[in-house]
Amino acid sequence: QAGLTQPPSVSKALRQTATLTCTGNSNNVGNQGAAWLQQHQGHPPKLLSYRNNNRPSGISERFSASRSGNTASLTITGLQPEDEADYYCSAWDSSLSAVVFGGGTKLTVL
Amino acid sequence: EVQLVESGGGLVQPGGSLRLSCADSGFTFSTYWMSWVRQAPGKGLEWVAMVKQDGSEKYYVDSVKGRFTISRDNAKNSLYLQMNSLRAEDTAVYYCATGGGSGMGYWGPGTLVTVSS
Repeated sequence: QAGLTQPPSVSKALRQTATLTCTGNSNNVGNQGAAWLQQHQGHPPKLLSYRNNNRPSGISERFSASRSGNTASLTITGLQPEDEADYYCSAWDSSLSAVVFGGGTKLTVL
Repeated sequence: EVQLVESGGGLVQPGGSLRLSCADSGFTFSTYWMSWVRQAPGKGLEWVAMVKQDGSEKYYVDSVKGRFTISRDNAKNSLYLQMNSLRAEDTAVYYCATGGGSGMGYWGPGTLVTVSS
């Protein structure tokens, strides 16, 4: 099943802003929106955003999500060392009747 | 506080079977869609299956259709994944999570399944 497309890696300096992208099609991101998850090495994922820009309780306002057409984005402002992690997007694909994930982006904070 | 805990993982030979369980505490299990997601060593996340609150709808990734079965018992606040005809490529950490397509909010710590002779 085709997944969503994410850049494998992004590097940004401390306190800068990083924007991660997730590209799908009209059956998934373009139709249903995307969710974003953060995963630190050796830990389960944590939900950062769902249905494009809804943050669960306890998630910092430094994380914001948006969507334009078939591409979803996650913007992280004021990068901190603890933001260094893998980030995944996911969406419901109405043509596949399945959840699809992106391959993940490894964010490095320099 | 929400807590999901998986169990049932282990080493199994190719062609064998395993049944994973996920027990919930701290929230109303029956109100959530529930999913299984796996992660092969050093790889990304892969959604495996999802079941509706009342068990009336189930969805699977193509690679496990006909081999895996997701189920739930709301009376026991438990989610299950019956895995048959296991293959080496099914080796992964298996997570249970609340929700599905619109975002998975709570995750268990995962249980490792290793398929090897």
